[in-house]
Amino acid sequence: AQTVTQSQPEMSVQEAETVTLSCTYDTSESDYYLFWYKQPPSRQMILVIRQEAYKQQNATENRFSVNFQKAAKSFSLKISDSQLGDAAMYFCAAGNMLTFGGGTRLMVKP
Amino acid sequence: DTGVSQDPRHKITKRGQNVTFRCDPISEHNRLYWYRQTLGQGPEFLTYFQNEAQLEKSRLLSDRFSAERPKGSFSTLEIQRTEQGDSAMYLCASSNSEDTEAFFGQGTRLTVV
Repeated sequence: AQTVTQSQPEMSVQEAETVTLSCTYDTSESDYYLFWYKQPPSRQMILVIRQEAYKQQNATENRFSVNFQKAAKSFSLKISDSQLGDAAMYFCAAGNMLTFGGGTRLMVKP
Repeated sequence: DTGVSQDPRHKITKRGQNVTFRCDPISEHNRLYWYRQTLGQGPEFLTYFQNEAQLEKSRLLSDRFSAERPKGSFSTLEIQRTEQGDSAMYLCASSNSEDTEAFFGQGTRLTVV
């Protein structure tokens, strides 16, 4: 079974500041992948960043980076230099069946 | 290719009726996922296919839900004897494999009255 937990229903960040969104997961798979997706209001889900669990190096994609702690089954997303367009729901997803967490609503203050 | 396409975009049905939704994945993608999403919540996994094989269906919400993917191309999700609690957005996604990005459709919003 796979479970994904996002413990922060809402987060707020000042424009240009940094924010970290938390995610923990549980899976019985030995080799798996982790993802962060963004869902703007009334718009489609899009991929932000992905991490291969067998790689120790944390993935980075421009202003977005992850802190992957495999032993702790933790996969947090850091957004640097936050922009107004980053405001959205963020979902962590894991595993072969692409199981999603409950999401974190990110608000960006100008 | 215009991405993942879902039809219809909106469906209003009376309680007790059957509904069927269609998903056309990106053409070269062999994986296809179905999710249900309610307002403010994360997508809830329902089922997924690898080509025409349905690899997981135990998470379908009840025996009123069923999905098919004949010939490994488009997929349909059917809900029989709809209930008001079935009202939600139904999302479809496709990918090349489990390690690549899943592309989502715009969803079908179901309202059961």
